[in-house]
Amino acid sequence: DTAVSQTPKYLVTQMGNDKSIKCEQNLGHDTMYWYKQDSKKFLKIMFSYNNKELIINETVPNRFSPKSPDKAHLNLHINSLELGDSAVYFCASSQDLRGHGNTIYFGEGSWLTVV
Amino acid sequence: GDSVTQMEGPVTLSEEAFLTINCTYTATGYPSLFWYVQYPGEGLQLLLKATKADDKGSNKGFEATYRKETTSFHLEKGSVQVSDSAVYFCALGGGGADGLTFGKGTHLIIQP
Repeated sequence: DTAVSQTPKYLVTQMGNDKSIKCEQNLGHDTMYWYKQDSKKFLKIMFSYNNKELIINETVPNRFSPKSPDKAHLNLHINSLELGDSAVYFCASSQDLRGHGNTIYFGEGSWLTVV
Repeated sequence: GDSVTQMEGPVTLSEEAFLTINCTYTATGYPSLFWYVQYPGEGLQLLLKATKADDKGSNKGFEATYRKETTSFHLEKGSVQVSDSAVYFCALGGGGADGLTFGKGTHLIIQP
């Protein structure tokens, strides 16, 4: 059973296109995140949601729009894709916002290549 | 703000060698500390964690001790295997919506 699953795993698309990455967690967690990993492997948080509500938006361009239809899902939609958007995008979840030491569980990543 | 510094590598070792990957941090309050591992072409997996000073996290032969006095959380393994080749990330988290702050990752290569 996959705890945090995201699709697609690989995505190659042209500049200017719009694409979505879907994420689901079956852990019963309240909090979900999107992280971006650049070509140098650096990981940076993009968004965090708690119970479907946006909590953190880390100065991400507004071409990126997360949507959480329920607390088990957090999808990422990207408009007008640019070359610099090429990266690995990780969905993640944790139990809630309160717990010190809560482990964050990551999906397997979505490898986005913009050509 | 919070930050994590770790040796970037690549670190190349022979099989059965002793491994240390250094990690130091800067944080307000008392964060939890984590090591995550990313095998080639895969996602991030939690390797171990420690939630308070002097705690030792351990898993799969890897260990790390939360040292508040030196603000460190160095990863060690007594005898590495080829299958340990991966990128290792040190991270800290205080709980809450900020998630984790990651170091830049250390690429470990184990040669037979």
